[in-house]
Amino acid sequence: QKEVEQNSGPLSVPEGAIASLNCTYSDRVSQSFFWYRQYSGKSPELIMSIYSNGDKEDGRFTAQLNKASQYVSLLIRDSQPSDSATYLCAVSNSGGSNYKLTFGKGTLLTVNP
Amino acid sequence: DTGVSQDPRHKITKRGQNVTFRCDPISEHNRLYWYRQTLGQGPEFLTYFQNEAQLEKSRLLSDRFSAERPKGSFSTLEIQRTEQGDSAMYLCASRQGANEKLFFGSGTQLSVL
Repeated sequence: QKEVEQNSGPLSVPEGAIASLNCTYSDRVSQSFFWYRQYSGKSPELIMSIYSNGDKEDGRFTAQLNKASQYVSLLIRDSQPSDSATYLCAVSNSGGSNYKLTFGKGTLLTVNP
Repeated sequence: DTGVSQDPRHKITKRGQNVTFRCDPISEHNRLYWYRQTLGQGPEFLTYFQNEAQLEKSRLLSDRFSAERPKGSFSTLEIQRTEQGDSAMYLCASRQGANEKLFFGSGTQLSVL
């Protein structure tokens, strides 16, 4: 069974610090990787996508991918209280025609003022 | 607002009743997904449509669940003879063609009493 694993947290960081969120996946043929942010009671919101090994930066967010280690991470620099949310790692099996995302359970991040 | 609309936002029903949810995807998106999410878990894939064709159903989707997308536009998800274990957030998502970015609606929160 294809699995996506995340530490459920909670991960607590002070305002202004770097938050580091990690994810591992079991399916080696996975090709596309996403981070979604989900506020309590709301639906997931796409914040980052990454497709090749290395780092991808977008504002305060950096996604890192290591396919050999089957590992994806998200770094949030200068964390703000508004970043407090659950962060979901999602992996796609885009090699097949019936593309779908498999999600981890999410990591709850709390940024303390 | 992602442009994916779901109705109703909340539904409370008694065990054994039937319920139906509606999803209107982003207008140019030909691919539509239903996911289910329970507290503390990531979204779990239920089913997938490409245009009006239902191409994949999860084993999570028992015979009591049926989904349709009659004209390749909006979709409905019906649950017959609801059980307390059906209580969850039902999320609809859509995407266009080969673009792998999935956009979620606000979800329908189902409570079965």
